[in-house]
Order: sequence, then C-alpha cells, then structure tokens
Amino acid sequence: DGGITQSPKYLFRKEGQNVTLSCEQNLNHDAMYWYRQDPGQGLRLIYYSQIVNDFQKGDIAEGYSVSREKKESFPLTVTSAQKNPTAFYLCASSMGQGPYEQYFGPGTRLTVT
Amino acid sequence: KQEVTQIPAALSVPEGENLVLNCSFTDSAIYNLQWFRQDPGKGLTSLLLIQSSQREQTSGRLNASLDKSSGRSTLYIAASQPGDSATYLCALDSNYQLIWGAGTKLIIKP
Repeated sequence: DGGITQSPKYLFRKEGQNVTLSCEQNLNHDAMYWYRQDPGQGLRLIYYSQIVNDFQKGDIAEGYSVSREKKESFPLTVTSAQKNPTAFYLCASSMGQGPYEQYFGPGTRLTVT
Repeated sequence: KQEVTQIPAALSVPEGENLVLNCSFTDSAIYNLQWFRQDPGKGLTSLLLIQSSQREQTSGRLNASLDKSSGRSTLYIAASQPGDSATYLCALDSNYQLIWGAGTKLIIKP
C-alpha cells in the first residue's frame, strides 16, 4: 500500500526545545517537500529536496532544518530559533521537481507552549 | 510575484445544489494547476490536475477549468453531497514550486 506517512499525528513541546517530525514515503519519488499550514493561510514551503543528499530552502526556512540521507525519508527539525512553531506541518512527495502531481501525508500538528 | 486568491473563504449550500469554487492568479505563466481537498485536521487529497495546455479536467462529479488569459480556474461540483464538506485548495505550479491559495471551506447542509 503505497503512500506517505508522517509521525506523530500530534506533538507537544516546551518552548526552547528542538523537535523532529518524521516523513517517510514508499512511492519511489525523488522529490520531497515540507510545508507549514496556518489557519486562514495557504501552505508555505519550508524546504524541498530533489534528490538524496541535496535540499533547498523554501520561502520560510528560518528556524528549520532538514536532512535527506535516504530516498524514502525527509525529516524536519523545528529548532528553538523558530519564533512561532505552533502549526500544522505537511510533507509531500512527487516524481521529481517539475510539473508533477504532489502527494501528501496526513500531517503533524505541533503545539509549542 | 505570483499570487493566488480563493474567494469566498467559506461557502454553505443545501445538499443537491451544483456549485462553483473560484481560484484566481496574477501571472499566467504556469505549468499546471491542481485542486486539492482537505478534511479537518487531515492531509491533502489531490482532486484534479490541469496541465497548462489543457482547458479542463473531469473526475466524476467534479470538473475543473483553466483560463490562463483571465487568470482563473473554477472547480464545479455537481449534485453536492454532505460528504463533499471540506476545505478546497488550489495550487499553481509556477517555476516548479506550488503557490497556494488559502482555500474555500465548503459546508453542504443535509
């Protein structure tokens, strides 16, 4: 059963702590993406990766970091430098970076207090 | 800079009605446009993808159109059902990155 998994579904952290969100795909897709969604706003791109061991900053990369050591995995770390980390985080993948359809995971809701 | 607008932000209609959701954009240089559905607290499900060279795509009760010259796309939902209640988002592939609208929250009343 192919798809994208994100874990956990809900995550709670204290301010000042780093936290890592998991994203795994078994679609054999080359490109993977991290988006942030806030109420009443469109999705905003945090980071994307076109290929293993390579990734690029999106529109709002400050305070976030990623790695792409395996094709299947693209974890996102929300660092203490992120000023307003409470949000819904969505991971996506596509065949490559190009006009390809993106497929999304179920999301992780992060709450930082 | 490409901007994507979805109006209205929310829409409530009785079950059975046909309805149209709107998506407008400022730059006609796009590769494709996608419509997504998002249920509360869930990820996104792709509904339709229209390539830049196409005018429309259909899937079941859904029909999406694209008019690049006017900077508009519409999502037509026929014979709406309560299960269609969700937030609908459009996204443009512009320079190989998706630019998103804020979505229209649709409520279908039984």
